Amino acid sequence: DIQMTQSPSSVSTSVGDRVTITCRASQGVSSWLAWYQQKPGKAPKLLIYAASTLQSGVPSRFSGSGSGTDFTLTINSLQPEDFATYYCQQANSFPLTFGGGTKVQIK
Amino acid sequence: EVQLLESGGGLVKPGGSLRLACAASGFSFSSYGMNWVRQAPGKGLEWVSRVSGNGVDTDYTDSVKGRFTISRDNSKNTLYLQMNSLRAEDSAVYYCAKAMGSYYYMDVWGKGTTVTVSS
Repeated sequence: DIQMTQSPSSVSTSVGDRVTITCRASQGVSSWLAWYQQKPGKAPKLLIYAASTLQSGVPSRFSGSGSGTDFTLTINSLQPEDFATYYCQQANSFPLTFGGGTKVQIK
Repeated sequence: EVQLLESGGGLVKPGGSLRLACAASGFSFSSYGMNWVRQAPGKGLEWVSRVSGNGVDTDYTDSVKGRFTISRDNSKNTLYLQMNSLRAEDSAVYYCAKAMGSYYYMDVWGKGTTVTVSS
């Protein structure tokens, strides 16, 4: 199984800041990687797929990069509605696996 | 509007069974793979199972193999998860999620149904 490791597990930041979250796969997944946002009590929301393609309707302040084993989610100019938990997920092979999550909190 | 609505969750004793359902609307259900993803209280997301659009191909996470069965009825636009031999560690919110095209990114999610396994 492919293990997905996210860092940091949490980050405290302020509105307007840039946040970078990393995700590392235990083996190469090419560009088969997605990022999701989840708010408390809500279902996850797809933000980015194929490592860098923005899902329809997602603000352009979100961006993704990487391939192989190392990936990054960047949120530019953080907005109040961006405080949430973010997960990466590999779609290269079954079983599909998620990272442990990164909680973005208000400083 | 594309929608997924889960049902069937509840309280069950260890060793018991439960069948979850996910009613889909607003898209051509049989054209897409479907997934179950769960989230234990205060924990992260865990993929549980998937089924292909025609229902032929299935996969499971190791911890549920032999106990859970995923299936679908394309005539009813409904996805199922039969859960047997339930354990306390199966307690979670269970989400159904639509696969995106031919790829297993999950672009539409239901609101979830809660399963609690406790004596």
